[in-house]
Amino acid sequence: GQQVMQIPQYQHVQEGEDFTTYCNSSTTLSNIQWYKQRPGGHPVFLIQLVKSGEVKKQKRLTFQFGEAKKNSSLHITATQTTDVGTYFCADPNTGGFKTIFGAGTRLFVKA
Amino acid sequence: DGGITQSPKYLFRKEGQNVTLSCEQNLNHDAMYWYRQDPGQGLRLIYYSQIVNDFQKGDIAEGYSVSREKKESFPLTVTSAQKNPTAFYLCASGRTGTNYGYTFGSGTRLTVV
Repeated sequence: GQQVMQIPQYQHVQEGEDFTTYCNSSTTLSNIQWYKQRPGGHPVFLIQLVKSGEVKKQKRLTFQFGEAKKNSSLHITATQTTDVGTYFCADPNTGGFKTIFGAGTRLFVKA
Repeated sequence: DGGITQSPKYLFRKEGQNVTLSCEQNLNHDAMYWYRQDPGQGLRLIYYSQIVNDFQKGDIAEGYSVSREKKESFPLTVTSAQKNPTAFYLCASGRTGTNYGYTFGSGTRLTVV
């Protein structure tokens, strides 16, 4: 079935370093969503991208949707310990009324 | 405040027992979902419901059952047929249409003892 692939699976960074996670689809996506799950917590919806080439920012987080709408990225500038968690991309359309989640990228930040 | 409430937060089950996990939302969302998450893993869809009195199997429905008698409630029963039920269970709700993200509950951690 349709999947969205995320890389890397894990990322260890020193506090202050940048971090990027990538999401790829074999088919064209209508929209792409991003969620964050803190350790021991539940996923929280961050943002949805809709347009080809769209770039949105939330403080130190920058979200991009590829021109072909087959890939997306989340970039965090100058990571902080509060950024620790798992970041999931999600396809809300292809699954027929159900969102398909990527496997997630788990971010570890060393102070 | 609107949101999703899952209970209990922690649940221990003896082998061979059925247990029911509660999920209630007051967001007036039509759609509700149950996901299972194993340690260090992603989200796997168990069941989902778009409207009252209707629900569909997700990717890992075997050993689970649900009901949707009210818009606000979508309880999940983990039956004795589920051979490896220890996991973190997340309930979510969402509006119909694809322009909105899901709202998740805080989850139930189920452990078989």
